[in-house]
Amino acid sequence: GAVVSQHPSWVICKSGTSVKIECRSLDFQATTMFWYRQFPKQSLMLMATSNEGSKATYEQGVEKDKFLINHASLTLSTLTVTSAHPEDSSFYICSAKGTSGRYEQYFGPGTRLTVT
Amino acid sequence: AQRVTQPEKLLSVFKGAPVELKCNYSYSGSPELFWYVQYSRQRLQLLLRHISRESIKGFTADLNKGETSFHLKKPFAQEEDSAMYYCALRLSAGNNRKLIWGLGTSLAVNP
Repeated sequence: GAVVSQHPSWVICKSGTSVKIECRSLDFQATTMFWYRQFPKQSLMLMATSNEGSKATYEQGVEKDKFLINHASLTLSTLTVTSAHPEDSSFYICSAKGTSGRYEQYFGPGTRLTVT
Repeated sequence: AQRVTQPEKLLSVFKGAPVELKCNYSYSGSPELFWYVQYSRQRLQLLLRHISRESIKGFTADLNKGETSFHLKKPFAQEEDSAMYYCALRLSAGNNRKLIWGLGTSLAVNP
């Protein structure tokens, strides 16, 4: 089956620093990747949608200059949280949609970010 | 506006009892509905999609366009069904056909 990995699985950083999270589709090509944020015991909140080779489309209320998304290849997308603050602490999940015409999204295991 | 409503935040049943997780949607277009499940400490994964009309792990879900519902049902719940269940609606057009998510229902199946 389709596998999506994320790295790192958890990260602790100091306030004001930047953190990069990688999302990779391991055995399929992902034309579209989605970045979500999930707070404890809450639903997923879509942050942005990225297509390979083009700029990401951000959801309303998500700061594109703070959450930089790059989708440079069909197997890799990155989310960089710039100048992180404690309120950015959350669980970040990526998902990928393949090129084969199948329509479901495959989810990564998530990255736990803690900003101190 | 498009919306997915899961009215129950928590549903607790005993093993062997029937279970129904409710999902209602609001969408003027042609809906595609999904159920995703997240077991403890595992990633989110697709459970069912309405187009397939399949039964997975004993779960079924029927799209009722009249009632705009896509409730998830299982006649006899098992302890291993305990998980978080999310109903999702895929829009038929626009913006990479993103998913609109419900808030989720935590199912606890007690022995």
